[in-house]
Amino acid sequence: SQQGEEDPQALSIQEGENATMNCSYKTSINNLQWYRQNSGRGLVHLILIRSNEREKHSGRLRVTLDTSKKSSSLLITASRAADTASYFCATSSGGYNKLIFGAGTRLAVHP
Amino acid sequence: SQTIHQWPATLVQPVGSPLSLECTVEGTSNPNLYWYRQAAGRGLQLLFYSVGIGQISSEVPQNLSASRPQDRQFILSSKKLLLSDSGFYLCAWRAPATGGGYTFGSGTRLTVV
Repeated sequence: SQQGEEDPQALSIQEGENATMNCSYKTSINNLQWYRQNSGRGLVHLILIRSNEREKHSGRLRVTLDTSKKSSSLLITASRAADTASYFCATSSGGYNKLIFGAGTRLAVHP
Repeated sequence: SQTIHQWPATLVQPVGSPLSLECTVEGTSNPNLYWYRQAAGRGLQLLFYSVGIGQISSEVPQNLSASRPQDRQFILSSKKLLLSDSGFYLCAWRAPATGGGYTFGSGTRLTVV
């Protein structure tokens, strides 16, 4: 079953703009992760934020986590055409830390 | 360095035929292994995971099975494919006893006709 739900389902922006994607989940988690998928390819791990963290940065990526609201956001600053992809949040919980994915946000960055 | 291999990249199979997809990991020992399926334009659904040789946990009832005959080999199988088995199948691994990120293979696109 799905745990994370991304919002919006699709996002279209111009190069240089910032892109914000949101994720909500239902149960307690150990950590939350964001992945990127180029069309027809495997997923690439972008960033992981633990349940006791509130914000994390990696290059042009900024992730926030609000465990009281069971939500997270991914911000991509100064977007580039190469950022065009689908972005998925995934929650890790339980003893085996299984990852449960949301349906994803399709981001299109136009030159 | 660790790498994950998944093949074939694409596969077209008739209904009722058997299936065997293979995934191997290099450069690590005792990885946690996972099989996911992705329907077109959708998120990933966890099918199976394994924390050791011969240890398979199934997440959803289905027409598929998984096996782990060796430490770094994970196989997804079916005796008789259904049309509904079509999809994009992804194998992934993670170091054991960690809550870290997964590394995914490049996926197999299966079309059952």
